[in-house]
Amino acid sequence: DTAVSQTPKYLVTQMGNDKSIKCEQNLGHDTMYWYKQDSKKFLKIMFSYNNKELIINETVPNRFSPKSPDKAHLNLHINSLELGDSAVYFCASSPGTGGSSGNTIYFGEGSWLTVV
Amino acid sequence: GENVEQHPSTLSVQEGDSAVIKCTYSDSASNYFPWYKQELGKRPQLIIDIRSNVGEKKDQRIAVTLNKTAKHFSLHITETQPEDSAVYFCAATTTDSWGKLQFGAGTQVVVTP
Repeated sequence: DTAVSQTPKYLVTQMGNDKSIKCEQNLGHDTMYWYKQDSKKFLKIMFSYNNKELIINETVPNRFSPKSPDKAHLNLHINSLELGDSAVYFCASSPGTGGSSGNTIYFGEGSWLTVV
Repeated sequence: GENVEQHPSTLSVQEGDSAVIKCTYSDSASNYFPWYKQELGKRPQLIIDIRSNVGEKKDQRIAVTLNKTAKHFSLHITETQPEDSAVYFCAATTTDSWGKLQFGAGTQVVVTP
């Protein structure tokens, strides 16, 4: 079974549209993330949630709004899509915040977003 | 905040040779250093990690070394095989930073038969 699953895997949409990417983890982890990987392969954190609470919010445009209905789900909604939003978006999860549980982060398979 | 630099950006090795990737970090509070491997079109996957109370860790053909004083850590792959071809990312974080991994820019490793 896939530990961190996200849908859709591929998404092609026009500028100005609104789209959502869904993510679910069945690992029982407390913390979930959204990472963005641009065309140069650079991986950058966008958001982090711990037990449904927003913990990290990097300098991401407010067109991006994460929502965590429960600790196993973290969805990403993007309004008014722009060409520069084209990237691969990875959902991820980790057991907790550190200490003995560590920060090992497990990534989903990625969602390839192309804005045309 | 933490800044991680990774070198080289590309590395071409002959099958059977060793590959070494080096990373430096800026935040002396960082104490957890994972390495991820990302094959083309796939997710990044953890291959090895090291914590700051350890200087070296090995797992079969891969090893990681950490020099806290110099704030650098390295990935060593011995007896490289074609399936080692991928992009490798180093990362650093503190264990109380809610898993906010700061990634290096990645190294494209190509193993030629």
